[in-house]
Amino acid sequence: AQSVTQPDIHITVSEGASLELRCNYSYGATPYLFWYVQSPGQGLQLLLKYFSGDTLVQGIKGFEAEFKRSQSSFNLRKPSVHWSDAAEYFCAVGATAGNQFYFGTGTSLTVIP
Amino acid sequence: EAGVAQSPRYKIIEKRQSVAFWCNPISGHATLYWYQQILGQGPKLLIQFQNNGVVDDSQLPKDRFSAERLKGVDSTLKIQPAKLEDSAVYLCASSLVSDYQVETQYFGPGTRLLVL
Repeated sequence: AQSVTQPDIHITVSEGASLELRCNYSYGATPYLFWYVQSPGQGLQLLLKYFSGDTLVQGIKGFEAEFKRSQSSFNLRKPSVHWSDAAEYFCAVGATAGNQFYFGTGTSLTVIP
Repeated sequence: EAGVAQSPRYKIIEKRQSVAFWCNPISGHATLYWYQQILGQGPKLLIQFQNNGVVDDSQLPKDRFSAERLKGVDSTLKIQPAKLEDSAVYLCASSLVSDYQVETQYFGPGTRLLVL
């Protein structure tokens, strides 16, 4: 069955520090992977997606993610975090059957000055 | 290009009352999704439409939840009667029709429901 695990419920980083959010997925076929960000009181905004090809994908706001099939992972990274990056981050895997998305439980990011 | 629109943004009701949420998808997106997001959890799919037909409603509590998309464009999700555990954010998303690959889902701002 398809599933997504985000092991870190909450992460705190200092402004300017690097960031890595972990995501592990379980999917029987070629995964279609997504990272979304949800700011307080807002909907989900697409950060980036991986369908195929280069395993390092670039997204908006300076984020990138690396697909590692051997580890079933799709970790999100940013070299230097800004205070405005404080939000909830969701990893998702999309299934070709019915275009259904399976979301992780999210990682809450706090940025301290 | 306009995004997914939802209204209202916030709603407070008492248990056993009814409530309705509205969603207008991105123009040209034939597939529409309603999700429920409980605090501290990821979104959970309630129902998926393609045009005006239901693709999947297996996780919709049909004794109290209903949804329609009569003309294949905008959609309404209704809860009647509401329970305390229905307090959540209700997200609407839309996408192009997917034939052989996954299509990105685009989300609206959500409706925050509080049931007292």
